[in-house]
This record gives sequence, structure tokens and C-alpha cells, in this order.
Amino acid sequence: DAKTTQPPSMDCAEGRAANLPCNHSTISGNEYVYWYRQIHSQGPQYIIHGLKNNETNEMASLIITEDRKSSTLILPHATLRDTAVYYCIVRGYNNNDMRFGAGTRLTVKP
Amino acid sequence: DTAVSQTPKYLVTQMGNDKSIKCEQNLGHDTMYWYKQDSKKFLKIMFSYNNKELIINETVPNRFSPKSPDKAHLNLHINSLELGDSAVYFCASSPGTATDTQYFGPGTRLTVL
Repeated sequence: DAKTTQPPSMDCAEGRAANLPCNHSTISGNEYVYWYRQIHSQGPQYIIHGLKNNETNEMASLIITEDRKSSTLILPHATLRDTAVYYCIVRGYNNNDMRFGAGTRLTVKP
Repeated sequence: DTAVSQTPKYLVTQMGNDKSIKCEQNLGHDTMYWYKQDSKKFLKIMFSYNNKELIINETVPNRFSPKSPDKAHLNLHINSLELGDSAVYFCASSPGTATDTQYFGPGTRLTVL
């Protein structure tokens, strides 16, 4: 699976949009981009995933560049409860193996 | 109505002991997984089971053995515990394989003294 690169940490003001970038320049055509987050002392929580098109659900939006080499997770109105480590994972269609990297530690501040 | 549950939440034991961690999912999923999160917070997959068949086995010591009595349960047995086994262990499940979303349990913090 392609490797991903994320900034180690980011801050965001409460109520503002949080934009978390991820680089996956070696992604191949059949690999999906997944985002999970882990709030302190809890198990990872699924957020969203996509292949080519931008995706939106009740939690977040996922913007994937046209060349698919990078993506951005957007939390439209961050709250204090969104403080967590966010993981960007690239995963092949036939691969169960979710390879978590170091992620981005997002801190939402009042 | 917890989707993926694990017991115990905390486990403290001595080196050399044998212990088990239980996992149950009530989502009707076909595939279950075990992950280990070490002190540096890196999550690594250890095993997955699909319809009672082991389909992933990372290079973990054979002291670790997954046991699946039915598709709703995947227990993790650890023999001859070592200090380096101290970590948080997460169970997860997914509807099938491939790119299905995985849902994680709350974790079991194992401390080996």
C-alpha cells in the first residue's frame, strides 16, 4: 500500500473549519483513501473514505486532488470534542491491512 | 448496544503468565481483527479472521494466537507474557474484506510487570 505523509500536529479554533492535509504521492489506481481518528484512550473511529470523487458525510468532507496524490479532510465546524489524532490511510481493494502512520494531532482550542 | 466490545479493559499481569483478551461484535460482520498499539502510539495489525479462517498473520510471535469460536467472537490468547507485550490491543470488525470499513472496539490496556 502507498505510504502517507501528514503534519504531526495542527491547531484549530473552535467553530472554524479544520483542514487536515495528507500526501499520498505513490497511490495506485485501485487504492482508496481512508480517514480515521482516535480520541484519547478510545479505539479508532471511522470518518470517511473515497477513491476519486470528493465525498461528504455527517462528520466531514474529503477532497481528493485530480491526480489523487493528496487529499484534505475538512471538519466544517470544529468542536472541542474533535480534538484527536487523525489518520490518513491508503488501502488497496483487496487488502485488509490498515496501516496506520503517526497521524496528525489536531487540537481544537476555545 | 455496543457494536464491538472487549474484555477486560485493563489487564495487569506478571511476566511468564498466560492471558486472554475477548472480543465480541454484534454487527453481523464476517471479518474480525486484532491490532496492537505500542507506546509510540503506532497501530499495527496482528491478525484478521474471515469466516473462521485466518487471512492475515503479521510477523507476530507465535505466543500470540487468535481463537474464533464463531464469527461474532475473536479472542486473543497470549502465552508466556513478556515486558514488550505491554500495549493497548484493539479488536475491530468489518462486513467483509477488501475495502470495507473497519469498526474498532474500545481497547484493552495490557501491562506486563
